[in-house]
Amino acid sequence: QSALTQPASVSGSPGQSITISCTGTSSDVGGYNYVSWYQQHPGKAPKLMIYDVSKRPSGVSNRFSGSKSGNTASLTISGLQAEDEADYYCCSYAGSSTFVFGGGTKLTVL
Amino acid sequence: EVQLVESGGGLVQPGGSLRLSCAASGFTVSSNYMSWVRQAPGKGLEWVSVIYSGGSTYYADSVKGRFTISRDNSKNTLYLQMNSLRAEDTAVYYCARTYYDFWSGYPNWFDPWGQGTLVTVSS
Repeated sequence: QSALTQPASVSGSPGQSITISCTGTSSDVGGYNYVSWYQQHPGKAPKLMIYDVSKRPSGVSNRFSGSKSGNTASLTISGLQAEDEADYYCCSYAGSSTFVFGGGTKLTVL
Repeated sequence: EVQLVESGGGLVQPGGSLRLSCAASGFTVSSNYMSWVRQAPGKGLEWVSVIYSGGSTYYADSVKGRFTISRDNSKNTLYLQMNSLRAEDTAVYYCARTYYDFWSGYPNWFDPWGQGTLVTVSS
């Protein structure tokens, strides 16, 4: 199972919006509405930010949103804040009770 | 409070074995799906294994036949038995409660995650 494709890095200034893409295939991202996104600060465990493509867990800021079109899912962060600087990973169910993660995207807040 | 605490990591020689533990509090392991996810130093996340509430187990191709996921209901603890370890198994190993779609039974997402335990395979 190949990893989902994410840009290695993205950046934005405080207050701006950024979007991180996550491209898979019809066997994972395109085949199921089971895409999730995780935020990871250095040395910390991943934190769930989005599940089921676009749902936001309780406690996660509404500045975070998710969407999907075909084989590509996206995470958008609006009103960028300094604390958003972190690594972000997408994940998709890939059939046969397996998962596949993206390679990760480093977000830099300028 | 829902919490997961991993333990059991350490330095092991290639070909050796190690058993990781993940103690849960605030919820019942046996009533949930539970997964292991690992992260090699400086690299991304890689799903390793999942155990369903009914006991079915599934593995990534990279560990199939070498790793075994299990749980002890009396201790509310998840385990990962790792045999025939290789240098490429070096990683921080996280356990995570795994939510699933009620209608399909498919696992969906991971929350919460433990703090991780480092496994280093080296001679």
